[in-house]
Amino acid sequence: EVQVVESGGGLVKPGGSLRLSCAASGITFSNVWMSWVRQAPGKGLEWVGRIKTKTDGGTTDYAAPVRGRFTISRDDSKNTLYLQMDSLKTEDTAVYYCTSQHSTWGQGTLVTVSS
Amino acid sequence: QTVVTQEPSLTVSPGGTVTLTCASSTGAVTSGYYPNWFQQKPGQAPRALIYNTSNKHSWTPARFSGSLLGGKAALTLSGVQPEDEAEYYCLLYYGGAQSYVFGTGTKVTVL
Repeated sequence: EVQVVESGGGLVKPGGSLRLSCAASGITFSNVWMSWVRQAPGKGLEWVGRIKTKTDGGTTDYAAPVRGRFTISRDDSKNTLYLQMDSLKTEDTAVYYCTSQHSTWGQGTLVTVSS
Repeated sequence: QTVVTQEPSLTVSPGGTVTLTCASSTGAVTSGYYPNWFQQKPGQAPRALIYNTSNKHSWTPARFSGSLLGGKAALTLSGVQPEDEAEYYCLLYYGGAQSYVFGTGTKVTVL
């Protein structure tokens, strides 16, 4: 069974940093593109960014609101995806989901940015 | 700023049929946007239903189908069940920007 589990959420002050992790199992992690999606309280889904496989160049793409502040990376040896979030703003408060090729989703981890 | 628009809400009777649509502010939606559809129930993570316009995942009930309709992506629910009451989101891929955009979401009520 394919499964992804996010961790690392919490409360952080504006301007602070946080790193989320996503552990994948049941798949050949190195062969799948991975994405992060977020959902602010009571709002819709927002695509955050994606990382391709190393075979496909390992490149990353980001949504405009997070470009330059968020960095997605992967460690294929650990079957783990990361989201480094810097210069956090209150509007980054959301549940962050990890997803493999938009098919399998985790339960999400809550990030709250507040003073 | 690209906007992907869905109907805010739709109501359907049990056993009925309802079609949700997904429109892009940039123009007609084609297969090149690789439309995906997701279902989300309150307090739960999204669940993937359809990918690449009309392909179903192994867990997708047969009553869900995806298509292109009048320049939009569409999700049709046939023989609606009470458990289909949920929020539905589409997702489109914009190759030029190498990014994805979610639709605004449609709340489907089964009444």
